[in-house]
Amino acid sequence: DIQMAQSPSTLSASIGDRVTITCRASQSITSWVAWYQQKPGKAPKLLISRASSLEGGVPSRFSGSGSGTEFTLTITSLQPDDFATYYCQHPWTFGQGTKVEIK
Amino acid sequence: QVQLQQSGPGLVRPSETLSLTCTVSGGSISNYYWSWIRQPPGKGLEWIGYISYSGTTKYNPSLTSRVTMSLDTSNNQFSLRLRSLTAADTAVYYCARGGAVLAYDYWGQGTLVTVSS
Repeated sequence: DIQMAQSPSTLSASIGDRVTITCRASQSITSWVAWYQQKPGKAPKLLISRASSLEGGVPSRFSGSGSGTEFTLTITSLQPDDFATYYCQHPWTFGQGTKVEIK
Repeated sequence: QVQLQQSGPGLVRPSETLSLTCTVSGGSISNYYWSWIRQPPGKGLEWIGYISYSGTTKYNPSLTSRVTMSLDTSNNQFSLRLRSLTAADTAVYYCARGGAVLAYDYWGQGTLVTVSS
């Protein structure tokens, strides 16, 4: 089975910072990766599908890139609403999550 | 607007079977993959499996011996049955819709299921 290794597990950042989260797949998965944001007590929200396709209504400060085994989610200019936990996903598995905290 | 509404118990006894249903409104149940995902308290997301619009199923290998998913197209519903529950199955269970790229764009509200006597 394909495993998704997500890093870091926790990230401390300030408003306006550029933030990058990485997911590495245990084998090549072309571009079958999605990224989600989850806030406490809420269901995850889909941000990006197919590694780089931004979902409707998601701010353009979010972007995804990568192919093969390494994928990244980047948030340019972190906003107060962005403090949350982020997960990468290959269809049958999720990364362990990255909690973005206020520095 | 597509909505997924979950129903089912919040407390189940050890060794018993969990049954959850997800009702889809605002859209057709056709042409999508209908999934269940769970999240133990304070932990990450775990994919349980999916049932496609044609009835094809795929389950997490770690759960496949205990899981059954079904689809009721006439009522726009899909269901999860998880047998032989233990405390390790305590989690928030979510239903979700997966599209052709198998990213989950609509989610249910989540059901906290506690396994306890």
